[in-house]
Amino acid sequence: EIVLTQSPGTLSLPPGERATLSCRASQSLSSSYIAWYQQKPGQAPRLLMYTASTRATGIPDRFSGSGSGTDFTLTISRLEPEDFAVYYCQQYHNSFTFGGGTKVEIK
Amino acid sequence: QVTLRESGPAVVKPTQTLTLTCTFSGFSLNTARMCVSWVRQPPGKALEWLALIDGDDDKLYSTSLKTRLTISKGTSKDQVVLSMTDMDPMDTATYFCAKTHSSGWLEQWGQGTLVIVSS
Repeated sequence: EIVLTQSPGTLSLPPGERATLSCRASQSLSSSYIAWYQQKPGQAPRLLMYTASTRATGIPDRFSGSGSGTDFTLTISRLEPEDFAVYYCQQYHNSFTFGGGTKVEIK
Repeated sequence: QVTLRESGPAVVKPTQTLTLTCTFSGFSLNTARMCVSWVRQPPGKALEWLALIDGDDDKLYSTSLKTRLTISKGTSKDQVVLSMTDMDPMDTATYFCAKTHSSGWLEQWGQGTLVIVSS
């Protein structure tokens, strides 16, 4: 099973700052088979990115994804108040697994 | 517009079998390109993928839970059913179903249903 490790566990930043979230896979993912989701309290996750760097429909361009192989990054260029949430990465290279999540909180 | 809704018991007893139904609209589960997944989330914890079914009735299961899970199409063409046997308090979680792209990302999620395992 492919294990995804997300870091940091919690990211404390003020609005307007840049957020950089990491997702590391235990083995190389061909074709960058990584997706990112945002989850707010009491809500279902929402798809943000797929194939590492393609934004889902309606996702603002302050969200960007990058990476290949085993290391992937989700970047939020300037944090808006609605961006404070938990973010999960997911791999679909071999079955499906999720990372443990990164909480982005207001500093 | 794609929507999904999970339904099932809110409470089950240990050792019982849980049966959940995902009722969806806005797409048809009639080709291999169309898939539905189940995912769960214990309170305060991370997401855990459970199972997937596609329109050709091919199925994929979590390795760790494979022996306890069965995913199937429902009696109605707009439903997918998940069964999990031998429920334990550790299985207490919110269970989500999600429309899944054939490549593997979960495009649209239901609101989830909380299942508590307690005697």
